[in-house]
Amino acid sequence: DADVTQTPRNRITKTGKRIMLECSQTKGHDRMYWYRQDPGLGLRLIYYSFDVKDINKGEISDGYSVSRQAQAKFSLSLESAIPNQTALYFCATSDPGDGATNEKLFFGSGTQLSVL
Amino acid sequence: LAKTTQPISMDSYEGQEVNITCSHNNIATNDYITWYQQFPSQGPRFIIQGYKTKVTNEVASLFIPADRKSSTLSLPRVSLSDTAVYYCLVAGPNYGQNFVFGPGTRLSVLP
Repeated sequence: DADVTQTPRNRITKTGKRIMLECSQTKGHDRMYWYRQDPGLGLRLIYYSFDVKDINKGEISDGYSVSRQAQAKFSLSLESAIPNQTALYFCATSDPGDGATNEKLFFGSGTQLSVL
Repeated sequence: LAKTTQPISMDSYEGQEVNITCSHNNIATNDYITWYQQFPSQGPRFIIQGYKTKVTNEVASLFIPADRKSSTLSLPRVSLSDTAVYYCLVAGPNYGQNFVFGPGTRLSVLP
């Protein structure tokens, strides 16, 4: 079983619809992240959470919201989807390291979202 | 944040050693260098991480010169399955939110 699971894997929706992407993890990590990737580009950070009570905006949070329901669950919502939110979305968790090593990210398999 | 620069693309042949260099001239004293690999339609995967000198694991080696202003990811004897995008990231401890995934280096391994 995957350590970081994203659902759904693919989603097609229409402009103006509300949509939620879900992420769950079994790694026991406190830190979780949502990234967006557009074709040929790197990943851009949308939101991140260092624990259940901590939510922070990333580089491109406009048009998105998140919910950290539990240590293991971090959901991303598009309140009113628009076509330029068509992208591949990744959830990640991180191991902060132990002083001798630095933080490492562990990614899910991604959700391909298409907004028509 | 330490800005990184790496080649956009590289080609290699099966069995060759591939070296991908990343420049990070303004790296901070407590920054680490981390490399990730991404296959199409998959999330990036951690490859290797280092602070200075040389680090080696079962997948790759990471060479970091004394001034730490650059680093080189070395993939020994690549195969077709090593075709992927490779990202170089630089950030300090407990700064995962500052990991910047640029366009990376697209490595194509040819038969």
